[in-house]
Amino acid sequence: DARVTQTPRHKVTEMGQEVTMRCQPILGHNTVFWYRQTMMQGLELLAYFRNRAPLDDSGMPKDRFSAEMPDATLATLKIQPSEPRDSAVYFCASGLRVNYGYTFGSGTRLTVV
Amino acid sequence: TQLLEQSPQFLSIQEGENLTVYCNSSSVFSSLQWYRQEPGEGPVLLVTVVTGGEVKKLKRLTFQFGDARKDSSLHITAAQPGDTGLYLCAPQRNQGGKLIFGQGTELSVKP
Repeated sequence: DARVTQTPRHKVTEMGQEVTMRCQPILGHNTVFWYRQTMMQGLELLAYFRNRAPLDDSGMPKDRFSAEMPDATLATLKIQPSEPRDSAVYFCASGLRVNYGYTFGSGTRLTVV
Repeated sequence: TQLLEQSPQFLSIQEGENLTVYCNSSSVFSSLQWYRQEPGEGPVLLVTVVTGGEVKKLKRLTFQFGDARKDSSLHITAAQPGDTGLYLCAPQRNQGGKLIFGQGTELSVKP
């Protein structure tokens, strides 16, 4: 089965450090999402791309978060500097068309201490 | 911003019972998806409904899209422990593909 691969699965870092999370979407998928999940807020959309172009990043704190797709096989989400409130599970998802559904990765669990 | 409400937030039942969870909004949607998320994993697509009044069945799960395309329900018959998880609805307002999720219903089915 094709899958979305996220690395790392777990990351513990100190406040102020830079964190980079990576996502390999399913080959051929042209839409990529980044979500953050916490108990309090649920699944929040941070950013999404179509054909590698950013379509919406309004859910992302601009001063510290950045999302890019350097090529069709890699999406990155970077936090610099990280803060304890960034602790969450970050998911990447990819797909072709909304009615076909999107495939999620297993997430990166980030803990900022 | 669309207001989306899923209910109940939490549901704990015994194996064999039936249940229904709801996804409601004041907005009209072009389509709606249901996902299930198990601990430690990402959400997995269960179904997409597109037409008002549409009913889709997936084994013991029955999904309905409201006639006015503002709400949806998920009914599970004879729940099993394997149905345990977080059920999320994700409506779409246009064909732009943006996927926004409700807060979800946390279902626990005890043997």
